[in-house]
Formats: sequence, structure tokens, C-alpha cells
Amino acid sequence: DQQVKQNSPSLSVQEGRISILNCDYTNSMFDYFLWYKKYPAEGPTFLISISSIKDKNEDGRFTVFLNKSAKHLSLHIVPSQPGDSAVYFCAARTGSQGNLIFGKGTKLSVKP
Amino acid sequence: DAGVTQSPTHLIKTRGQHVTLRCSPISGHKSVSWYQQVLGQGPQFIFQYYEKEERGRGNFPDRFSARQFPNYSSELNVNALLLGDSALYLCASNGWSEKLFFGSGTQLSVL
Repeated sequence: DQQVKQNSPSLSVQEGRISILNCDYTNSMFDYFLWYKKYPAEGPTFLISISSIKDKNEDGRFTVFLNKSAKHLSLHIVPSQPGDSAVYFCAARTGSQGNLIFGKGTKLSVKP
Repeated sequence: DAGVTQSPTHLIKTRGQHVTLRCSPISGHKSVSWYQQVLGQGPQFIFQYYEKEERGRGNFPDRFSARQFPNYSSELNVNALLLGDSALYLCASNGWSEKLFFGSGTQLSVL
């Protein structure tokens, strides 16, 4: 039973446009959410995170939105760049030092 | 500063063999976690160690074991390898923040 779900295996976006990656979760005890980016042959790289006490966190081109009532979060990338092409993983945890529960990932392709 | 380093990068074993994977955390990080990533899936938690003590264990059989050394490096051991153990094994470390920093992983192929 998946606690973190990324229902879109892939997403294709034109360079300069907005990329929106979605993530749903089932466990209401999750209190911290993270997005990781992964290139082939590399480990996941931390991108941005959000605590459950917030509904938005922004870092440059990346913004994460959290809707606790819907148990949904999304990652917005504006503007998208070809270098953003990678697999994006949504992850959640309970407590500050708990283990991460990952979704299956969404492969983003940004076309020039 | 060096990131999380893992060795070896690739490994080929046959069924029934034993494997040891190694990880050095970022300097100053006392917590090390291990994750398994099967193709097409997200990373799945195996173990977490903090100050040489096991802090958490995922849903993996007893064939999987790990330990952490006084210098905070860590080993993951898998006994009696099965074909289904073929995966990318990721090590991650963290300090006081909630962020995990991952190494590049060890790609294990079991034939």
C-alpha cells in the first residue's frame, strides 16, 4: 500500500513554460515533505522541502505547495529549462529524523 | 567538501553469494541511512544508524544487515543473494537538518 503516490510517470514541457509535478499521500502523520531530483547514474539530489505547518515554500524557480486537507503537494518549476530534465521524487517523513517514504517518481522532459 | 561516498559503484554477484557495500557520510554527519531502489520505483528505506546504534529498520528480510563504525562510516551486508536483490543501493547521511544527502549509489546485479 503506497503512502506516497506520484500518479504521472512522465511529463513533457516546453522550455520556458511551467512544469507542475504532483504528489498525493495517505498518511496524515507525515509532517515534512521533500522533493528530490535524480539524474541517471547519480544519487537523488535535494531540491526543496516544506513543513506541514506551511502551505508554500519558494526557492528561486522552484515552489512547493502543500494542501493538507487534500493530502496533496505539488512542485512548480518556472521557467522550465532543459537542464531540469530528470526524475523527480516526492518524499515524506514523520518526525524530524524519521525515514523517508518515496513516491515512484515522475520523469520530466523539458524540450528546447 | 566531499559528499557522501559509496563503494563500489558497480558489482556483479551470483545467487547465494554475500555482498558488502560501503558508505562514508559527509564530514560531521552522524546519521547514515540505506535505501534500495529497484528500477521504476522510488528508493525504499532499509536501515538508519545514528551514533553506531540502529535507529530504524525497513521491511527487509534478516539477510540484510548493517553497522556503523566509530568514524560514522557504514556497511550494508546482504547474505544469500537473490535475483530480486538486484537494485541500486543508496546511502544517505544527515546532520541536524531534515535533509538527507545521498551518494551516487552502488548498482548491484545478481545473476
